[in-house]
Amino acid sequence: DAGVTQSPTHLIKTRGQHVTLRCSPISGHKSVSWYQQVLGQGPQFIFQYYEKEERGRGNFPDRFSARQFPNYSSELNVNALLLGDSALYLCASMRVKNTEAFFGQGTRLTVV
Amino acid sequence: QKEVEQDPGPLSVPEGAIVSLNCTYSNSAFQYFMWYRQYSRKGPELLMYTYSSGNKEDGRFTAQVDKSSKYISLFIRDSQPSDSATYLCANGGLMKTSYDKVIFGPGTSLSVIP
Repeated sequence: DAGVTQSPTHLIKTRGQHVTLRCSPISGHKSVSWYQQVLGQGPQFIFQYYEKEERGRGNFPDRFSARQFPNYSSELNVNALLLGDSALYLCASMRVKNTEAFFGQGTRLTVV
Repeated sequence: QKEVEQDPGPLSVPEGAIVSLNCTYSNSAFQYFMWYRQYSRKGPELLMYTYSSGNKEDGRFTAQVDKSSKYISLFIRDSQPSDSATYLCANGGLMKTSYDKVIFGPGTSLSVIP
């Protein structure tokens, strides 16, 4: 079975631009979560989606938004990019609550 | 106080040593506990998942959870250079009525020297 897949793997954007990151969960997993990992720190929770609805949100500004599609894949959107948004963005899929979270390889976003 | 704390290291050990990685947490409502391994510039890889106090063993890895003291450990036996990575402690189960989020510690950097 394929694991969690994310695209693109690397991205360079300019301040003020918009970015869309994509994630496909493991087959059979209905929950997708997004995390931001700044160099040297642990991942920070951004969003969780299940059945196309937002189920949890971390302490991130409204510039960050996400959605989940009927096939359970997900997009993370970030508007008005700031230099501080440079990070590794990770997607995790979970079959149901209180089970293991499996991560993709991440999208490395650099804002210049 | 951060919800999940780890000593960031770096920790350097000779090949073959037993490694002990530790993690503490502040919220007694956490229900399950995980250890992830993360190689540089890669996504976290799940090593261990446990739902209760006690020990869980998987090959060279043993996870130990003590809910009474809010203390979690990961032991690596016969450490190998390929174990050199950052080890993330992660807890979940806070959200009882909705789907959950995982709270990570900052990670401990481990180097195993040949």
